[in-house]
Amino acid sequence: GEDVEQSLFLSVREGDSSVINCTYTDSSSTYLYWYKQEPGAGLQLLTYIFSNMDMKQDQRLTVLLNKKDKHLSLRIADTQTGDSAIYFCAETRSASGGSYIPTFGRGTSLIVHP
Amino acid sequence: NAGVTQTPKFQVLKTGQSMTLQCAQDMNHEYMSWYRQDPGMGLRLIHYSVGAGITDQGEVPNGYNVSRSTTEDFPLRLLSAAPSQTSVYFCASSTIRGKNQPQHFGDGTRLSIL
Repeated sequence: GEDVEQSLFLSVREGDSSVINCTYTDSSSTYLYWYKQEPGAGLQLLTYIFSNMDMKQDQRLTVLLNKKDKHLSLRIADTQTGDSAIYFCAETRSASGGSYIPTFGRGTSLIVHP
Repeated sequence: NAGVTQTPKFQVLKTGQSMTLQCAQDMNHEYMSWYRQDPGMGLRLIHYSVGAGITDQGEVPNGYNVSRSTTEDFPLRLLSAAPSQTSVYFCASSTIRGKNQPQHFGDGTRLSIL
């Protein structure tokens, strides 16, 4: 459902930074994920962050985590046209029987224009 | 490794027909799931399984059946196709060992019901 929330669209100019935001609900989520979906393809894992971290940097990607506010963000530096895609935030929520069920946001469509 | 393989990639059905969407993974993952993706709706979980012989309903299970007789395969059956089931269907898998469970997605099956 709507327990993981993201804005639906973001438009940026090539070369600018993009920031995609997400709020989640399960404070016990130990890992939070960002996935990227290019047109006509499935989702691919982009990066993830462990809940005891505030920040994780991976080349042009920076993930920020505010556990108190249950807020996750993905920053893409020097955004390129190839970054145009849908970005999904996901948490892994504990379920019955000790299993963990991934829960996805609706996805943010990032449009990069020249 | 092939990862997660979905077949067919495209399918057109008439209302009332039945069909099975196939999903297979070769990573020995315990967890497998089916999602549908519709414009503006994000990913919605249909059914999932945490191991052979175990299945459970997700957010939108009506009109779909699943079974999990082996670890590798998780077919999704449409019993009597309806136009509302026109969508892109994704299968995903992951381990359930530990709390870091990134999902591996197939490339999707694009289904149209006339």
